[in-house]
Amino acid sequence: EPEVTQTPSHQVTQMGQEVILRCVPISNHLYFYWYRQILGQKVEFLVSFYNNEISEKSEIFDDQFSVERPDGSNFTLKIRSTKLEDSAMYFCASKGTGPVYLHFGNGTRLTVT
Amino acid sequence: ELKVEQNPLFLSMQEGKNYTIYCNYSTTSDRLYWYRQDPGKSLESLFVLLSNGAVKQEGRLMASLDTKARLSTLHITAAVHDLSATYFCAVDAVSGNTPLVFGKGTRLSVIA
Repeated sequence: EPEVTQTPSHQVTQMGQEVILRCVPISNHLYFYWYRQILGQKVEFLVSFYNNEISEKSEIFDDQFSVERPDGSNFTLKIRSTKLEDSAMYFCASKGTGPVYLHFGNGTRLTVT
Repeated sequence: ELKVEQNPLFLSMQEGKNYTIYCNYSTTSDRLYWYRQDPGKSLESLFVLLSNGAVKQEGRLMASLDTKARLSTLHITAAVHDLSATYFCAVDAVSGNTPLVFGKGTRLSVIA
């Protein structure tokens, strides 16, 4: 079964550094998402992406965050200047059309020190 | 703003027992999803419920949806240790491909 893949699985960075989290969605999917989960807490929506542009974003997704689909297969989340509170598990997800499951990747655990 | 409330948030149950997890949501929706998450792992799709009265079953888990009450239940029958995980319900708004809003999750621990 096709799956969403994310790299790296774990990223440690210093406060103020830029990080790029990478995702390869399922190939025929059209809608892409980033969610995050602070340890032990609920899964929070960050941003959705469709037709090469952001379709929705949450309050969490401020100017420090950006997303890109640079080459038709990868979907990246960039955090320009990381803060301690950005430490979380970041999940990429994708889906096709209609009311179907969102398929989640295995996540990238980001630790900001 | 769509809100999703789950209860209980923590559940410790004995093997062989039955229990129900509840998921309430605040606005009109007829698309509700249940996911399972093992510690440190990703979210695994369990059920998608698309209409009022929908019922889905897989093994010892059964999910149902009452859109009029804005309530979904996840019923666990004769629990076994392998069911220990966190269970999330998630809802999206009626229109378009709006993002899922998740509940806080129910951390289930099945003990012998």
